[in-house]
Amino acid sequence: GAGVSQSPSNKVTEKGKDVELRCDPISGHTALYWYRQSLGQGLEFLIYFQGNSAPDKSGLPSDRFSAERTGGSVSTLTIQRTQQEDSAVYLCASSSMPPDRSYEQYFGPGTRLTVT
Amino acid sequence: AQSVTQLDSQVPVFEEAPVELRCNYSSSVSVYLFWYVQYPNQGLQLLLKYLSGSTLVKGINGFEAEFNKSQTSFHLRKPSVHISDTAEYFCAVSEGGGGNKLTFGTGTQLKVEL
Repeated sequence: GAGVSQSPSNKVTEKGKDVELRCDPISGHTALYWYRQSLGQGLEFLIYFQGNSAPDKSGLPSDRFSAERTGGSVSTLTIQRTQQEDSAVYLCASSSMPPDRSYEQYFGPGTRLTVT
Repeated sequence: AQSVTQLDSQVPVFEEAPVELRCNYSSSVSVYLFWYVQYPNQGLQLLLKYLSGSTLVKGINGFEAEFNKSQTSFHLRKPSVHISDTAEYFCAVSEGGGGNKLTFGTGTQLKVEL
């Protein structure tokens, strides 16, 4: 079946502009995660959605970052007034839990964001 | 708070030789442990996981890992590597509850040479 898809695959933007990154999770997966992979910080958790519960935003680095998940499926990560330190690969993952309880997160290919 | 340490940033090894990639974790509660592999320009793929039960876990592509609670380790091993195993390997931990968000190590670049 189809895996997690992300768009765009690459995004180059000027400092100060807003960007939107999209994630389409695996159909039926109730949990959705955003992570960021950068040279300086490695892989770090950003935000987590589970069903209709309030999202866990504990990993968002600043209030310029926000995310939403519409209809329990597609998610959009928005970065406002981008800064050069926002340059990174943004990874989305989805998981079926419960009742699967396999705890496996399936990752998309990522969006490479470059802020010039 | 949980943390993961991968001491080796790079591990060079000859093809058909055995390899061990080290991972140590820190947590105040019981954890779930994972190894992910990332091939160039691709996303992360799960190699194996430890949730409970047998401490020796077998995964895909001939990899296995052993959970050692007393040493808080979860080292990854393969008895004979192939060129195609060249990739970056990430150890990760979650505390299960609270959404199973993953905390990753800094990664180990495995380079298999002829």
